[in-house]
Amino acid sequence: QQPVQSPQAVILREGEDAVINCSSSKALYSVHWYRQKHGEAPVFLMILLKGGEQKGHDKISASFNEKKQQSSLYLTASQLSYSGTYFCGTEKQGAQKLVFGQGTRLTINP
Amino acid sequence: DAEITQSPRHKITETGRQVTLACHQTWNHNNMFWYRQDLGHGLRLIHYSYGVQDTNKGEVSDGYSVSRSNTEDLPLTLESAASSQTSVYFCASSDKRASSYNEQFFGPGTRLTVL
Repeated sequence: QQPVQSPQAVILREGEDAVINCSSSKALYSVHWYRQKHGEAPVFLMILLKGGEQKGHDKISASFNEKKQQSSLYLTASQLSYSGTYFCGTEKQGAQKLVFGQGTRLTINP
Repeated sequence: DAEITQSPRHKITETGRQVTLACHQTWNHNNMFWYRQDLGHGLRLIHYSYGVQDTNKGEVSDGYSVSRSNTEDLPLTLESAASSQTSVYFCASSDKRASSYNEQFFGPGTRLTVL
């Protein structure tokens, strides 16, 4: 079952903060976050593992609430380069494959 | 440098024709995946493979097939192309032996139009 992302779209001015949420109805082992720029392939940003370990990105952070099966991606002091569509991908224990959300389009204006 | 490539990058075909999209990775990854991307649906998994001779159906596998005869390649075949299969197709690979985080590396995509 596809995780649900919210909001579907966000428009910010450069320097503002954004939060993107990802919710699943299934018990999760990990949550991956990817960013896709227009016309390009998705690129891995970050992973949140059950138990709290994460591999991060320099200027972007994330959290994983295991009780609620929710993850949030935090982009602070946004830059123009942050524009793109953000996808969460959820992984169940032992599955190795991901189920992706429908994406959140982030637009950063100068 | 290791990479993952897809060919062709653009393809126009007619309804009913058989089409094969190629995916080749030099990461030596065990896991390979095929996704389709349509507006409003995100990335949906078509087929995936965890190793040579292993293939599995994803959530939208009807009308598609794959085979894995070596580590590097996972071609995707549309048996009889339909207009509903017009989409952008992405191939990806991953391997926990290379990274315990098992992140996926995506190819550049193939834009397929079925007329």
